[in-house]
Amino acid sequence: GAVVSQHPSRVICKSGTSVKIECRSLDFQATTMFWYRQFPKQSLMLMATSNEGSKATYEQGVEKDKFLINHASLTLSTLTVTSAHPEDSSFYICSAIPATGSYLGAFFGQGTRLTVV
Amino acid sequence: AQSVTQLGSHVSVSEGALVLLRCNYSSSVPPYLFWYVQYPNQGLQLLLKYTTGATLVKGINGFEAEFKKSETSFHLTKPSAHMSDAAEYFCAVSGNEKLTFGTGTRLTIIP
Repeated sequence: GAVVSQHPSRVICKSGTSVKIECRSLDFQATTMFWYRQFPKQSLMLMATSNEGSKATYEQGVEKDKFLINHASLTLSTLTVTSAHPEDSSFYICSAIPATGSYLGAFFGQGTRLTVV
Repeated sequence: AQSVTQLGSHVSVSEGALVLLRCNYSSSVPPYLFWYVQYPNQGLQLLLKYTTGATLVKGINGFEAEFKKSETSFHLTKPSAHMSDAAEYFCAVSGNEKLTFGTGTRLTIIP
């Protein structure tokens, strides 16, 4: 099956710094990628929808200036958490939809655990 | 609008026993329904999905789910639980190209 790779899998950063998380579709082209946030023992909350070559669409309540999303190519989307604070600590997961398919076939990355100290 | 309700945040079953994880949904359009499994510190893996056609859907690892429109349900079952089934399970609905997830059910298998 198709593979979506997230990097890094774990990251610890100091408060005030920025962290970049990459989401790559390894064997398919993805026109649409989604970024989710998951708090401990809770469900996934959609943060934004990323379309290749255009601006991301953010869900209500998500700060677009804090969570910068770039989808520069058909195989790569990045999420940058700017000026991170401890409350940004969470598990971030991306998913990708093949360009030839639909959301019915979304594939998920393995997630990135961000800890801000 | 769409939403998912998973009844029971924690379910414990004995090894070899029936697994039943409940999911009810609401959707303003004909829904597409999914079950995902998540192991600790990992992403989500698709177990099965219902789009159209046969209402009983078989997935990986021996799981299956039945779409019941009259009950707006999509419960997940497995006849015989295995220790490796211990994980978090999420039901999801989509009618507009966005997945809406339930709050998840943590399945514990008792030896």
